[in-house]
Amino acid sequence: DVKVTQSSRYLVKRTGEKVFLECVQDMDHENMFWYRQDPGLGLRLIYFSYDVKMKEKGDIPEGYSVSREKKERFSLILESASTNQTSMYLCASSLVGTGDFQSFGPGTRLTVT
Amino acid sequence: AQTVTQSQPEMSVQEAETVTLSCTYDTSENNYYLFWYKQPPSRQMILVIRQEAYKQQNATENRFSVNFQKAAKSFSLKISDSQLGDTAMYFCAFMPYLYNQGGKLIFGQGTELSVKP
Repeated sequence: DVKVTQSSRYLVKRTGEKVFLECVQDMDHENMFWYRQDPGLGLRLIYFSYDVKMKEKGDIPEGYSVSREKKERFSLILESASTNQTSMYLCASSLVGTGDFQSFGPGTRLTVT
Repeated sequence: AQTVTQSQPEMSVQEAETVTLSCTYDTSENNYYLFWYKQPPSRQMILVIRQEAYKQQNATENRFSVNFQKAAKSFSLKISDSQLGDTAMYFCAFMPYLYNQGGKLIFGQGTELSVKP
């Protein structure tokens, strides 16, 4: 089974801080994704990457950036955290083939105060 | 734009009974995939079932089955013989067929299902 891990389950940061969320997958998946999950809104795609050093904006990229220097690692960066970025952040990965389902990490609940 | 709608924010069912979760979607594409994901309380999101749009036969996985109505753009999930462990948030998701989309998923708002003893 694919294992997707995220660096923290819970994180509390102050407004204006730079925040790094790390995601690692161990099954050589080409695609990696970052979502945020908010009640009543479901999951919304922030960024995704289909190869090392490649990135594509999702539906809500504002205020976020990403980095993928190695195939197994995909980082989400909040350059200057704001209170409206308080949310659950989920990382996922999948093979490159069309229709392959995504495997998710456990999530990081970020609170910005 | 493609959208996925789950119109039931919360549902409950008695243990051992059957429940159906609704999902509708909007797309102009002919080829795509549909998924149901389950997120138990404080636990990881896992895949429940997957349907390819070009297949007329409804997918089944043990107690979970779907009713896929392509013309109506409807994709409901039926859970038979509900168990306490089925208590979770359920998400319906749509994936375009396009290879260069990198397997992007579009999610619905979620339905919180409670199974009562």
